[in-house]
Amino acid sequence: GQQVMQIPQYQHVQEGEDFTTYCNSSTTLSNIQWYKQRPGGHPVFLIQLVKSGEVKKQKRLTFQFGEAKKNSSLHITATQTTDVGTYFCAGDVGGSYIPTFGRGTSLIVHP
Amino acid sequence: DAGVTQSPTHLIKTRGQHVTLRCSPISGHKSVSWYQQVLGQGPQFIFQYYEKEERGRGNFPDRFSARQFPNYSSELNVNALLLGDSALYLCASSLTSGTSNEQFFGPGTRLTVL
Repeated sequence: GQQVMQIPQYQHVQEGEDFTTYCNSSTTLSNIQWYKQRPGGHPVFLIQLVKSGEVKKQKRLTFQFGEAKKNSSLHITATQTTDVGTYFCAGDVGGSYIPTFGRGTSLIVHP
Repeated sequence: DAGVTQSPTHLIKTRGQHVTLRCSPISGHKSVSWYQQVLGQGPQFIFQYYEKEERGRGNFPDRFSARQFPNYSSELNVNALLLGDSALYLCASSLTSGTSNEQFFGPGTRLTVL
């Protein structure tokens, strides 16, 4: 079964509101990656986090890796309609460098 | 530079048939991974190849097989198709198979099994 859990499954926001998706693993992750998939498209790599407690920012996006390396989050400030899509986390659960994807959080932004 | 390319884009097969999907990685990338994505789910790992050797295999039956060629392109073969094999099949390439393996996905092949 899925070893990387992601919540929520869906999130509706008004344009300008913030958005956060959470990723949790029962086992320690070697690293975690985040991807965005637009409707009808393919996953596009956003970022990789490797270190415990790491925080990285990309414009309005903030990515965090938990201290125990078992959880991660993606926060978007002041969402825009261009942020619409499904955000996936993918963790390396077995140290094999093969990412296990979460189920994804679909972000719907209402103008 | 061209991204990851996959062919065909769409495919319709009937139960029991076999299918071959093809992937060309980004130039210079030596690692290719295959994923199956069912609607509403995240990509599920099938295989990873690096330098023509299998480096990882997901929890898929033996009906699924793959190989990587000297030019690093790859094929995914699925035999004895089942209705449940209907999905988007994604190929992803990366420079290496190590930890800094940012993966670049292709547009996918949409397989429908009737």
